Amino acid sequence: GAVVSQHPSWVICKSGTSVKIECRSLDFQATTMFWYRQFPKQSLMLMATSNEGSKATYEQGVEKDKFLINHASLTLSTLTVTSAHPEDSSFYICSAIAGHTDTQYFGPGTRLTVL
Amino acid sequence: SQKIEQNSEALNIQEGKTATLTCNYTNYSPAYLQWYRQDPGRGPVFLLLIRENEKEKRKERLKVTFDTTLKQSLFHITASQPADSATYLCALGDGGGATNKLIFGTGTLLAVQP
Repeated sequence: GAVVSQHPSWVICKSGTSVKIECRSLDFQATTMFWYRQFPKQSLMLMATSNEGSKATYEQGVEKDKFLINHASLTLSTLTVTSAHPEDSSFYICSAIAGHTDTQYFGPGTRLTVL
Repeated sequence: SQKIEQNSEALNIQEGKTATLTCNYTNYSPAYLQWYRQDPGRGPVFLLLIRENEKEKRKERLKVTFDTTLKQSLFHITASQPADSATYLCALGDGGGATNKLIFGTGTLLAVQP
């Protein structure tokens, strides 16, 4: 149980284009989902917290107009990187929490490369 | 500011030995602490959660201790195997409130030699 998927697993795009990443909880309903970014040899940095049906809460320094988050249902959250630039190239990982538990279950990650 | 430190150097041990990883934190009072395993190019996999009122937690070959006075958690893998080689992350949680946010350490790379 507690499986989280992400799609795509990797994406290469041109600078200036937008990229959408999907995060799905496959066998449970996720009251809260989180989006992280991880640069090589660094730890996970939380970008935003997303609750179903409400606006995402962004961490300090994360541009909400650049990283659009939509949590339309209890099993799906999307992250759209708008007008991507090479410095946005990173490993993006989502996680989900079921109900009132404290454990976050992570997706496999999406490798974004912006040329 | 809040700071979480894990063994900065890679940990190399011989198969069959016990691996001990350290997580120290400052300027934080977490309600719980979690340990995750991360393989290259993959998302973290949850291993264990220990709460502030718990001293020790076990799961098969894994053991976690949590000392809120020392502000330290130790993560042990007994009878280690080459398949245990990975990066291990500790993460501190604030106990929910409105967010259940986690703050992650930088991770320790464990290499188990056959």
